[in-house]
Amino acid sequence: GDSVTQMEGPVTLSEEAFLTINCTYTATGYPSLFWYVQYPGEGLQLLLKATKADDKGSNKGFEATYRKETTSFHLEKGSVQVSDSAVYFCALLMDSNYQLIWGAGTKLIIKP
Amino acid sequence: NAGVTQTPKFRILKIGQSMTLQCTQDMNHNYMYWYRQDPGMGLKLIYYSVGAGITDKGEVPNGYNVSRSTTEDFPLRLELAAPSQTSVYFCASSSRQGDLEAFFGQGTRLTVV
Repeated sequence: GDSVTQMEGPVTLSEEAFLTINCTYTATGYPSLFWYVQYPGEGLQLLLKATKADDKGSNKGFEATYRKETTSFHLEKGSVQVSDSAVYFCALLMDSNYQLIWGAGTKLIIKP
Repeated sequence: NAGVTQTPKFRILKIGQSMTLQCTQDMNHNYMYWYRQDPGMGLKLIYYSVGAGITDKGEVPNGYNVSRSTTEDFPLRLELAAPSQTSVYFCASSSRQGDLEAFFGQGTRLTVV
């Protein structure tokens, strides 16, 4: 079945470090891909998305490129800030049934 | 804009009690979802609805019930609460068209003692 695999956390970085959070997926069709972020004590909110192969989603300095050949959607940011500390979820949406399939989440801790 | 509104934010239940978690959205979304999130874990789908009058089970439906009498409301009912239902519950909604983004409520933190 369809699935999403994220790198396990927590990921701990110093401020201004480069961030990569890996996400790979398994899907039979052509999903849309998303990164959601959950700040402490809050609900999830959309960070960025890509709806077809080679699309790049970007927001708040974060980027992710939809790579069909490697079935990946890795999240990157060139210089992280303490305020980026949160849990990041990768998800896919199948256009056949509009169900979101979620990764387990990766907790990111940024130290000043 | 209100978006997705969940109530209550916090609740403590005794084993065997029942309660209803309320969820309302004002975006005219067709799709609504209930998830639970256990500590340090991802989201597990409890129930979902593709429109008024239509509901279906997700990954972990046991111990819960839902109804969808209107487009706006999607309450989640817990019958005979058990400690295993201690979790944070999130309601979400999305449109079948447009940007497909799912909008989440702030969550309900439920403790069963």
